[in-house]
Amino acid sequence: DIQMTQSPSSLSASVGDRVTITCRASRTISDYLNWYQQKPGKAPKLLIYRTSSLQSGVPSRFSGSGSGAQFTLTISSLQAEDFATYHCQQSYMTPHTFGQGTRLDIK
Amino acid sequence: QVQLQESGPRLVKTSQTLSLTCTVSGVSISSGGYYWTWIRQHPGKGLEWIGYTLHGGSNYYTPSLRSRVSVSVDTSKNQFSLQLRSVSVADTAVYYCARAYDTMGADYWGQGTLVIISS
Repeated sequence: DIQMTQSPSSLSASVGDRVTITCRASRTISDYLNWYQQKPGKAPKLLIYRTSSLQSGVPSRFSGSGSGAQFTLTISSLQAEDFATYHCQQSYMTPHTFGQGTRLDIK
Repeated sequence: QVQLQESGPRLVKTSQTLSLTCTVSGVSISSGGYYWTWIRQHPGKGLEWIGYTLHGGSNYYTPSLRSRVSVSVDTSKNQFSLQLRSVSVADTAVYYCARAYDTMGADYWGQGTLVIISS
């Protein structure tokens, strides 16, 4: 299996901050990297697919970058509704493994 | 509007079989290009990809569950199902069904159902 490691596991930030979350794969996965947002008690929501493509309806303050084995999710200016847990997932090879999640909360 | 809805027992005894069904609306489960997927989340933990089925009958499962899991499709009811055999308390989790489009992530999810395994 391809192991996905996110950092940090948690972070605190303020509204308006720029935030970056990193996801590292245990081997190269080309650009087959997806990002999800999950709020408590809810199903995950797809934010970004294939590293940098914004899912329909997702605000442009979310962006993704990277290639090979290291990827980042950036939120350019945090809004109140962005406090949630973020998950990365590789879809390069089955099983389509997830990172352990990054919890983003209010400072 | 695409919607997915999980259904099935919320409480399963150890060593028995967990069975969940995902009812899909707004799209035909026979449509090409979609991976009909099961994912679970242990309480307070990250997401675990279980496996998916493709139209045409191909199935892919995570190795750690492969000996106990199967996913099937009922096109007449527009449903797909998960069976997990010989469950233990370690299988207690929220189970989600989802639709993935090729390798572009899971764009539609069910609301999730908590299944508790207990003796």
